[in-house]
Amino acid sequence: AQTVTQSQPEMSVQEAETVTLSCTYDTSESDYYLFWYKQPPSRQMILVIRQEAYKQQNATENRFSVNFQKAAKSFSLKISDSQLGDAAMYFCAYRRGSGGSNYKLTFGKGTLLTVNP
Amino acid sequence: NAGVTQTPKFRILKIGQSMTLQCAQDMNHNYMYWYRQDPGMGLKLIYYSVGAGITDKGEVPNGYNVSRSTTEDFPLRLELAAPSQTSVYFCASSYSESNEKLFFGSGTQLSVL
Repeated sequence: AQTVTQSQPEMSVQEAETVTLSCTYDTSESDYYLFWYKQPPSRQMILVIRQEAYKQQNATENRFSVNFQKAAKSFSLKISDSQLGDAAMYFCAYRRGSGGSNYKLTFGKGTLLTVNP
Repeated sequence: NAGVTQTPKFRILKIGQSMTLQCAQDMNHNYMYWYRQDPGMGLKLIYYSVGAGITDKGEVPNGYNVSRSTTEDFPLRLELAAPSQTSVYFCASSYSESNEKLFFGSGTQLSVL
């Protein structure tokens, strides 16, 4: 079974600085997707960034980027120029790429990010 | 754009009561999901549907039922509510099987006392 581990229950960052959130996963699959979701106090889950396992290039979305280390099964999220609106719970998630049970996203327990002004 | 709409936002039930959590999406998505989120935990899949008339169990289906009579609606039924079902429930939808862009509702906070 796939597992997703977020080892940092809480992190904090000063506004305008950079923070990295860690995520490791365990799988025997070669084809899969990884995601970071943001959950602000409104509870809405928002997709931040996705990475296909077959792509070597790290995904980037504006101030958000990932460091995908496939051999190490690591998928960290870097937030640059942190803003107050980035404060939220961040979830790392995994999904198989093919075969049965495609619909199941496996989530980590989350990292609560605080942004200090 | 309404997206995914969940009702109610909050509900308190007594043990043994039943209720239905409503979920509707207006994006013509075939795939719909129900997740629960317990405190300090990630989301766990309860049930999912790949289209009208088709539903299947996720990780934690016990104590729940679903139906999918239309593309738009995917209600979740709790029969004989138990304290273990106290959680935040999220409905989500996606256009395709490669559900990278999952659209979530804003959640229902349910307490069973």
